[in-house]
Amino acid sequence: DGGITQSPKYLFRKEGQNVTLSCEQNLNHDAMYWYRQDPGQGLRLIYYSQIVNDFQKGDIAEGYSVSREKKESFPLTVTSAQKNPTAFYLCASSRLSSRTAGNTIYFGEGSWLTVV
Amino acid sequence: SQELEQSPQSLIVQEGKNLTINCTSSKTLYGLYWYKQKYGEGLIFLMMLQKGGEEKSHEKITAKLDEKKQQSSLHITASQPSHAGIYLCGAAYQTGANNLFFGTGTRLTVIP
Repeated sequence: DGGITQSPKYLFRKEGQNVTLSCEQNLNHDAMYWYRQDPGQGLRLIYYSQIVNDFQKGDIAEGYSVSREKKESFPLTVTSAQKNPTAFYLCASSRLSSRTAGNTIYFGEGSWLTVV
Repeated sequence: SQELEQSPQSLIVQEGKNLTINCTSSKTLYGLYWYKQKYGEGLIFLMMLQKGGEEKSHEKITAKLDEKKQQSSLHITASQPSHAGIYLCGAAYQTGANNLFFGTGTRLTVIP
């Protein structure tokens, strides 16, 4: 089945450690995204990528890093510089939008990160 | 971003009742997307609206975009427990935009 797979579903991290969240899609989408969701704040964009080996910062990129070495994969690293990393992280993908057609963004099941 | 406001923040209805959720933008929308989310899970795409005055329906859910393209409503007819969850609207603000800005969501509870 086509879709977006995130792993792990639950992750605990000690303060000062970096952790990497995996995101893989087999939808042949060009664009991939990472969002963070906190209670009462909706979704906020961390990073997005429209093409392999290229990515752009979103609204809250500080303390995070990404890579896009393959079209199917867009891993997110939460570094020790991220001061409040405990949150629900959502990966998403879409076709590229055009002047005449919008794009629908499809989401993975999410990953819970807790700092202990 | 506070460019997109959803109301109400939460809603509790009796099964079988109709309900409406609103999404208001401070800027003209290029596209408006509705998603549903179960707590702690991913977002499920419901509908996308692009044209002013556009209306789309899927089963018992109808979404409309106003003529000025700054407000959308999501209407559920004869609600069921399966409709419970968090409804989020996402906005695209420019042609060719590849990112969506999201509202804070409306938590819907349906009492059997």
